[in-house]
Amino acid sequence: GAVVSQHPSWVICKSGTSVKIECRSLDFQATTMFWYRQFPKQSLMLMATSNEGSKATYEQGVEKDKFLINHASLTLSTLTVTSAHPEDSSFYICSAADAYNEKLFFGSGTQLSVL
Amino acid sequence: DAKTTQPPSMDCAEGRAANLPCNHSTISGNEYVYWYRQIHSQGPQYIIHGLKNNETNEMASLIITEDRKSSTLILPHATLRDTAVYYCIVRVGVNDYKLSFGAGTTVTVRA
Repeated sequence: GAVVSQHPSWVICKSGTSVKIECRSLDFQATTMFWYRQFPKQSLMLMATSNEGSKATYEQGVEKDKFLINHASLTLSTLTVTSAHPEDSSFYICSAADAYNEKLFFGSGTQLSVL
Repeated sequence: DAKTTQPPSMDCAEGRAANLPCNHSTISGNEYVYWYRQIHSQGPQYIIHGLKNNETNEMASLIITEDRKSSTLILPHATLRDTAVYYCIVRVGVNDYKLSFGAGTTVTVRA
């Protein structure tokens, strides 16, 4: 079946650096992808909707200059956490919509730890 | 989208059926009931969905009440690998990919 690949699975970085997370749809084209953040023992919170070829739509309270989203192709969306701080440490998850088959798939998530 | 209410946690014995309730009293006529689960430190996994008829697949069964205000996810023979957080979500339709996750039910299957 369709698979969404998210990379890296985990990353540790120093405070002030930027981290890029990739989300790829492996065998379908995804015009729309979504980025979620999840803190320990909490539910997933939608951060933004990533649209191929256009600007991302951010949820209220999510800083678009801090969480840069690029959806340059139909199979790849990237989330860059800029100038990361310890409070950005979280589990980040992407999902991709296979509109042709009317299905939604999730990546395996990226655990970000900012020291 | 309609909101859902689920119990925060539930224990289940291995090999027994697990019945997970979900209330969605404000569901609209065009909204589907979807169930996902999230095993620790992984992305959510699709389980099953339905509109008004009961549904069954290789993973689970979904029972939706006639008034559609509540539903029950049934795991027929729970295994230790079914320990996860289960989310009940209502969606406008198969093309509604922007999901809002509630707190879900933490299901612990015990040997």
